[in-house]
Amino acid sequence: AQSVTQLDSQVPVFEEAPVELRCNYSSSVSVYLFWYVQYPNQGLQLLLKYLSGSTLVKGINGFEAEFNKSQTSFHLRKPSVHISDTAEYFCAVSLDYKLSFGAGTTVTVRA
Amino acid sequence: GAGVSQSPRYKVAKRGQDVALRCDPISGHVSLFWYQQALGQGPEFLTYFQNEAQLDKSGLPSDRFFAERPEGSVSTLKIQRTQQEDSAVYLCASSQLVEGGEPQHFGDGTRLSIL
Repeated sequence: AQSVTQLDSQVPVFEEAPVELRCNYSSSVSVYLFWYVQYPNQGLQLLLKYLSGSTLVKGINGFEAEFNKSQTSFHLRKPSVHISDTAEYFCAVSLDYKLSFGAGTTVTVRA
Repeated sequence: GAGVSQSPRYKVAKRGQDVALRCDPISGHVSLFWYQQALGQGPEFLTYFQNEAQLDKSGLPSDRFFAERPEGSVSTLKIQRTQQEDSAVYLCASSQLVEGGEPQHFGDGTRLSIL
């Protein structure tokens, strides 16, 4: 079975500063990796995904993530955040069709 | 509509009552999923449909939970004899294909509160 650990439960950050959200996963086989964002009282929106190929994945809203197989990590980054990036971020792993999510990281962007 | 639609958005029920939550997936999407999201947690898988066939119900927490998708489109998640621990947000997601790695599109969820 696969599992996901998000290493930071809360990340406060100032507007226009960079942010990194850390995600580690455990699996004995190759998996697919995802980052989703959840705004208050909404469902999850896909930011980006890693299926295979280049380890640097670019997503929507200026986010990117890097897959590191040796460290079993898939950290999410954004070079300059906006107030509108305030949300909950979930890392997820999938072996086939079922998504397994981490507990989430709350990002709060302050002016 | 263009996205996954869930109703009702909010549901309050007394302990012991039965509830039914509806999911209308994106038109043409083969796969449909239900997840349960407890407060402050990530979503947890409940069940998976491919068209009308329920292929995986390993995440359903008890036999009080039942899901169906009789015509391969709209799905209903039913919870019988609700308990306080059933309070959560129930998310529905759909995807176009069956292949692994296919991204899932989520609805806004139904927030269920059991008094």
